[in-house]
Amino acid sequence: DTAVSQTPKYLVTQMGNDKSIKCEQNLGHDTMYWYKQDSKKFLKIMFSYNNKELIINETVPNRFSPKSPDKAHLNLHINSLELGDSAVYFCASSFAGWAGELFFGEGSRLTVL
Amino acid sequence: AQTVTQSQPEMSVQEAETVTLSCTYDTSESNYYLFWYKQPPSRQMILVIRQEAYKQQNATENRFSVNFQKAAKSFSLKISDSQLGDTAMYFCAFMKREYGNKLVFGAGTILRVKS
Repeated sequence: DTAVSQTPKYLVTQMGNDKSIKCEQNLGHDTMYWYKQDSKKFLKIMFSYNNKELIINETVPNRFSPKSPDKAHLNLHINSLELGDSAVYFCASSFAGWAGELFFGEGSRLTVL
Repeated sequence: AQTVTQSQPEMSVQEAETVTLSCTYDTSESNYYLFWYKQPPSRQMILVIRQEAYKQQNATENRFSVNFQKAAKSFSLKISDSQLGDTAMYFCAFMKREYGNKLVFGAGTILRVKS
């Protein structure tokens, strides 16, 4: 069983479209994250949720809206896609409390044309 | 704000040899954690090793060990007996002791193990 699973793994779309990436974890963790890895491989946190509550929001454009229906799921919806949104988006999960190890999904590569 | 610097964009090593990847960080915190993550071509992020700042003893995990110099804010990763499967991008990361478990990553070092 995959611990942190993301769908889709690859996504190609046109500028201006809206798309979603879904994430699910079966590890019983209570905290989930979205990280963005840009074309230079730089990884940066976007959002963090604990028990469906947003706890970290790192200066991300309003076009990005995370949604956590329950603590096992964290979805990322992106409106009005731009070329600069092309990246690999990683979902991760952990237990709350400091230094809980983060378990990452396989990433979703988004290409905006 | 914390920053993590990996000064070696790329490194290569012969199979069975030892290689050390460098990492420095900047923080005013006293309680924090440091990590090395590996990202092979498959793209999966894999935790290699973790170090608690309050522990003086360097962490080890089989062939992987760290040299943690808290005063110098340095956290290098040593890979012994390098294997072809170690070929990957390696990221150093910092986590402040706070609610939210936010990881701050360095820019990464590409390691190529040659046969």
